[in-house]
Amino acid sequence: EAGVVQSPRYKIIEKKQPVAFWCNPISGHNTLYWYLQNLGQGPELLIRYENEEAVDDSQLPKDRFSAERLKGVDSTLKIQPAELGDSAVYLCASSSRLAGAEDIQYFGAGTRLSVL
Amino acid sequence: AQKVTQAQTEISVVEKEDVTLDCVYETRDTTYYLFWYKQPPSGELVFLIRRNSFDEQNEISGRYSWNFQKSTSSFNFTITASQVVDSAVYFCALSDPNTGFQKLVFGTGTRLLVSP
Repeated sequence: EAGVVQSPRYKIIEKKQPVAFWCNPISGHNTLYWYLQNLGQGPELLIRYENEEAVDDSQLPKDRFSAERLKGVDSTLKIQPAELGDSAVYLCASSSRLAGAEDIQYFGAGTRLSVL
Repeated sequence: AQKVTQAQTEISVVEKEDVTLDCVYETRDTTYYLFWYKQPPSGELVFLIRRNSFDEQNEISGRYSWNFQKSTSSFNFTITASQVVDSAVYFCALSDPNTGFQKLVFGTGTRLLVSP
């Protein structure tokens, strides 16, 4: 079974430019998460989707960040415009409510963003 | 508010040594889940274990073992006979029941370096 797939793995952009990250969750997982991981820190939740609905976006900086999950499968996280402080790893995770596996989040390899 | 503390920033051991990674958590909830994840240099977080707050039995899986003590709010992780492949950053996490256990609060991680 394929895991969570993220692309690109690395992205280097200049400040004020837009950037987008893509995530394909594990097949059948209805819950999708985007996390931000700063250097030397643990991941912090940005947004959580149940199917196509964003049920928790309280930590998403909505002035420059946006996300969508069309058709309840793949998701895209966008930053526009990017700032120097956005340099970090952006992780995507997914989970299922099937019995025995509830709420175990499986993570992708992340996208490492460098803003110059 | 929930909090996870991993006081050990980095641990260095020589192969075949045993090593224990500490995790202390804070929560006012009586029902919660605790997790350990491994983050190798490739970047993805690999799920290792989930433990619910009502199950204080220690668990062993191969060279890995976990000691859960509610009295001290700790969920420590021991690797027996460490190997070079164990080198990674290890994260302890606590679920938030107010989000249906779907929001994880991570510690800052412990980097384990196992040298030959």
